[in-house]
Amino acid sequence: KQEVTQIPAALSVPEGENLVLNCSFTDSAIYNLQWFRQDPGKGLTSLLLIQSSQREQTSGRLNASLDKSSGRSTLYIAASQPGDSATYLCAGMYSGGGADGLTFGKGTHLIIQP
Amino acid sequence: NAGVMQNPRHLVRRRGQEARLRCSPMKGHSHVYWYRQLPEEGLKFMVYLQKENIIDESGMPKERFSAEFPKEGPSILRIQQVVRGDSAAYFCASSPPLDPDTQYFGPGTRLTVL
Repeated sequence: KQEVTQIPAALSVPEGENLVLNCSFTDSAIYNLQWFRQDPGKGLTSLLLIQSSQREQTSGRLNASLDKSSGRSTLYIAASQPGDSATYLCAGMYSGGGADGLTFGKGTHLIIQP
Repeated sequence: NAGVMQNPRHLVRRRGQEARLRCSPMKGHSHVYWYRQLPEEGLKFMVYLQKENIIDESGMPKERFSAEFPKEGPSILRIQQVVRGDSAAYFCASSPPLDPDTQYFGPGTRLTVL
């Protein structure tokens, strides 16, 4: 059974700090891994998608890495801002073509203090 | 290009009633996914549909839940004889035919069963 775990469940840091969110997955036969952002009462916004053949992806202040051998992914946020406050979800896809859907972690609730 | 649309955004039902949740995928998208997010839980995959076909329903409860994606119109997630445990946020995602690995999420429908 595929499982995705995110640590920590919650994180509060002062504005301006760099931070790392962690995600671990049990099955190394992962097809791709995505990081999403979820704001209260809103849907999910895709941040970064890493294919299994890739090691990392970058978008602005965000950098996501994927290490299949250790079953880990990290999301690095540089120079955090209050607008980054949200819940960050990690999700793995284990079959190409969309079958089985995404397997999500429970998320890390991030608060950036002004 | 409008995003994935879901309605209603909030739905209240009494135990034993039926709930119908609608999802209109992004224009040109032919794949639809439904996920459920229970309180304090991560999103769980329920079903994956293409037009007029259920591709994978491995995450659907065996009873009371059904989904369809007709040739015309939105995808419908139907819950019969709702119980309090069905209270959750239900998210729909869609993907284009040539990129089924990338899912775009709607804002969700929050179902409350009294």
